[in-house]
Amino acid sequence: DAGVTQSPTHLIKTRGQQVTLRCSPKSGHDTVSWYQQALGQGPQFIFQYYEEEERQRGNFPDRFSGHQFPNYSSELNVNALLLGDSALYLCASSKDWAQETQYFGPGTRLLVL
Amino acid sequence: KQEVTQIPAALSVPEGENLVLNCSFTDSAIYNLQWFRQDPGKGLTSLLLIQSSQREQTSGRLNASLDKSSGRSTLYIAASQPGDSATYLCAVESNQFYFGTGTSLTVIP
Repeated sequence: DAGVTQSPTHLIKTRGQQVTLRCSPKSGHDTVSWYQQALGQGPQFIFQYYEEEERQRGNFPDRFSGHQFPNYSSELNVNALLLGDSALYLCASSKDWAQETQYFGPGTRLLVL
Repeated sequence: KQEVTQIPAALSVPEGENLVLNCSFTDSAIYNLQWFRQDPGKGLTSLLLIQSSQREQTSGRLNASLDKSSGRSTLYIAASQPGDSATYLCAVESNQFYFGTGTSLTVIP
């Protein structure tokens, strides 16, 4: 059983560009959450998708948007990249809302130059 | 807004020692608390999940406790091994998920 997968593993972009990160949840999971983890910090919650809709959102600007597909996979889009967007982006999946263990993918390391 | 704090930020112990990591949170209205392990540059591995109605969970050499009323959780690691070296993060789930900044653990052979 494949766990949570993310692509790409690493990415280099320049300021002002746009980026799309992808996540496939663990088999049987229907909820996907995205996190941003800056170096030396804990992950910060970006948003969560359930049944193809954004269910919860953290304190991130509208430049951060997402999508969930019918097969429960998800994309994170970031527009107008800033240097401060450089971070490890983590995707986590779980079954149902709340009360469930989250399983994390290996992350996508984004560097904005 | 929920705030999660982990103390200490870093810890170095000799192999075989028992140790305790601490996590505190400001809002006791949580669904659950989860402890994770993160190796450098990697994703997170779930260690233990404690539901809000539970007091503790155990898995092998790990034991986590939860005191919702005081906003505290501890992760106890027995007989530490060099392979336990990693950053340990706690996260609480209320209206969203909130993580602490982690405790970086080094177990010296």
